[in-house]
Amino acid sequence: KAGVTQTPRYLIKTRGQQVTLSCSPISGHRSVSWYQQTPGQGLQFLFEYFSETQRNKGNFPGRFSGRQFSNSRSEMNVSTLELGDSALYLCASSLVGHSYEQYFGPGTRLTVT
Amino acid sequence: AQSVTQLGSHVSVSEGALVLLRCNYSSSVPPYLFWYVQYPNQGLQLLLKYTTGATLVKGINGFEAEFKKSETSFHLTKPSAHMSDAAEYFCAVSDVSGNQFYFGTGTSLTVIP
Repeated sequence: KAGVTQTPRYLIKTRGQQVTLSCSPISGHRSVSWYQQTPGQGLQFLFEYFSETQRNKGNFPGRFSGRQFSNSRSEMNVSTLELGDSALYLCASSLVGHSYEQYFGPGTRLTVT
Repeated sequence: AQSVTQLGSHVSVSEGALVLLRCNYSSSVPPYLFWYVQYPNQGLQLLLKYTTGATLVKGINGFEAEFKKSETSFHLTKPSAHMSDAAEYFCAVSDVSGNQFYFGTGTSLTVIP
C-alpha cells in the first residue's frame, strides 16, 4: 500500500498570504489528523477529520482550517499567514480513529517570510 | 487533559550501549501509549504501541517499552545501540476515547561510534 502523501513538500509564502496544504491518506483510512511541528513548541495537534467531519480540534486560531473530502483526502488552509506559522506540517492517517496508531506523511515545510 | 513528559531532550550513548529513553504520562485512566521515531526531514514512524494486554511491548528495530501503571511510565529501551538509531524519538498518549492525541517534546538520540 502507498503511504501517506503530502503536497507540496516545501512552500515559501509571504506574511499575509494564505496557503493550502494537501494530504492523501493510506487507502482505506478514514481518519486524518494534522499537526504543526516547530523547534520551540514541538508537535501540536491541529485537528482531526473523520468521514468528512471535524471530530477533534486543537488550540489554534481560526486562521487554521481544514476539510476532508469523500475520498478521505484532506486539505488544510492557513489564512493571513504570520511569521510564526513557519513550521513542518504533518498529516497522519488512521484506520479507525485517533486512539489507534497513526501513519505519518513526510510533511510540508512551510516558510513564511 | 493528558500530558506527556519526556525526560532529557538530548541523550547520547555509545554504539553497543543500552538505550533508555524516558516517558511519563499523566492520566487517571490507562491510556493508549506510543513511541514514534523521526529521522531528519521525514515524518514520524511508529516504533511500538501499548493498548491493552501484555505490558512489555516489542517494536521494530529491536526496541521495546514497558507500561508501568503504578509509575505512569512507558520508557523505551534497546539493549544495544546502533548508529542508525540516531534520530528524534517521541512518546505519545491517546485517551481511550480516542478524542485527543498528545505528544511529548521529543528526545534527540545521538549514538557515538
